[in-house]
Amino acid sequence: GAGVSQSPSNKVTEKGKDVELRCDPISGHTALYWYRQSLGQGLEFLIYFQGNSAPDKSGLPSDRFSAERTGGSVSTLTIQRTQQEDSAVYLCASRPSGRNFGEQFFGPGTRLTVL
Amino acid sequence: KQEVTQIPAALSVPEGENLVLNCSFTDSAIYNLQWFRQDPGKGLTSLLLIQSSQREQTSGRLNASLDKSSGRSTLYIAASQPGDSATYLCAVIRSGNTGKLIFGQGTTLQVKP
Repeated sequence: GAGVSQSPSNKVTEKGKDVELRCDPISGHTALYWYRQSLGQGLEFLIYFQGNSAPDKSGLPSDRFSAERTGGSVSTLTIQRTQQEDSAVYLCASRPSGRNFGEQFFGPGTRLTVL
Repeated sequence: KQEVTQIPAALSVPEGENLVLNCSFTDSAIYNLQWFRQDPGKGLTSLLLIQSSQREQTSGRLNASLDKSSGRSTLYIAASQPGDSATYLCAVIRSGNTGKLIFGQGTTLQVKP
């Protein structure tokens, strides 16, 4: 079946602009994660959604970052007033419900470049 | 705070060689450990998942072991092939949290024909 998809695959923006990154998880997966992969920091957790529960936002680096998940499926990560240090690959992952902390399946990522 | 370390950072081997990649973590209270492969410019492909109650998992030429008490995992690749060239990442989930993965920095493997 279809895996996790993300769009756009690449995004180039100017410093100060807002960007939206989209993630479509695997159908039926109720848990969704956003991670960021940057050269200096490696792979870092950003935010976690599980069903209708309040998200775990503990990994968001600043209040310029926010995310939402509509209808328990598609998620959007928004970065406001982008800075050059926001340049990274943003990865989304999902996992099935009923399999606590089981295998996570990753999308191909969105490469964000802030000029 | 859980920290994950992978050694070596890079490895180059001739085709056909068996090799071991190492992963260590500072907090033994983990729920599971997952090994991933990442090709340049691509996302992560899950290779093996080891639950905390397990000692090892095998898939084809890959074997991953887990020793929780010592905070170590190894990924063994048998009869390496040029197509195995990639970055290998290990990640752990701490017990009791939301299942977020804590990653090591990865080992970049090059298998030469």
